[in-house]
Amino acid sequence: SQTIHQWPATLVQPVGSPLSLECTVEGTSNPNLYWYRQAAGRGLQLLFYSVGIGQISSEVPQNLSASRPQDRQFILSSKKLLLSDSGFYLCAWSDRPGGFEETQYFGPGTRLLVL
Amino acid sequence: SQQGEEDPQALSIQEGENATMNCSYKTSINNLQWYRQNSGRGLVHLILIRSNEREKHSGRLRVTLDTSKKSSSLLITASRAADTASYFCATDVGSNYKLTFGKGTLLTVNP
Repeated sequence: SQTIHQWPATLVQPVGSPLSLECTVEGTSNPNLYWYRQAAGRGLQLLFYSVGIGQISSEVPQNLSASRPQDRQFILSSKKLLLSDSGFYLCAWSDRPGGFEETQYFGPGTRLLVL
Repeated sequence: SQQGEEDPQALSIQEGENATMNCSYKTSINNLQWYRQNSGRGLVHLILIRSNEREKHSGRLRVTLDTSKKSSSLLITASRAADTASYFCATDVGSNYKLTFGKGTLLTVNP
């Protein structure tokens, strides 16, 4: 069966520090991968998605970046965190190439607090 | 921009009652999905309804879709305290690998 892992679960970082959040998927190959951010009491904002190794699509301009160095690994990074980067970061995967009837499967999330 | 918008934002009911949540969207869709999120956790897929379907059931869940009104509803029957969670609708326009999520309805089921 497929599983998705995210780490760390919780992170407290000072403003201006770098960030690296990792997401890995097991039990599937060539998944579509997604990074979302969820502010407190809000919906999900799609940040990045990837349909293959090295292929990253950015949804919103920001100081975050994403990389997919391996088929089942998705990394969210920042060189300098802002206070507004605080939130709940969710990684998700799907196995529907072409996006047809795509169901997404979410990881447990990383709660980031920037102070 | 937000495609789906859930209504109400929050709903509080007693155990055993039915809970109804609504979702409105703006553009034509390929399918609409409902997800559940327990506090501090990831989302879990509940049910998918295609644009050519009008109603779908899964256990205590009933989903309807009215493409003419661009709206969907999620009914949870005989609610339980364990149903307490946020519920999100997500729309799939079928062409760009993405789902667009609404802001969610926070359902509280009181024992």
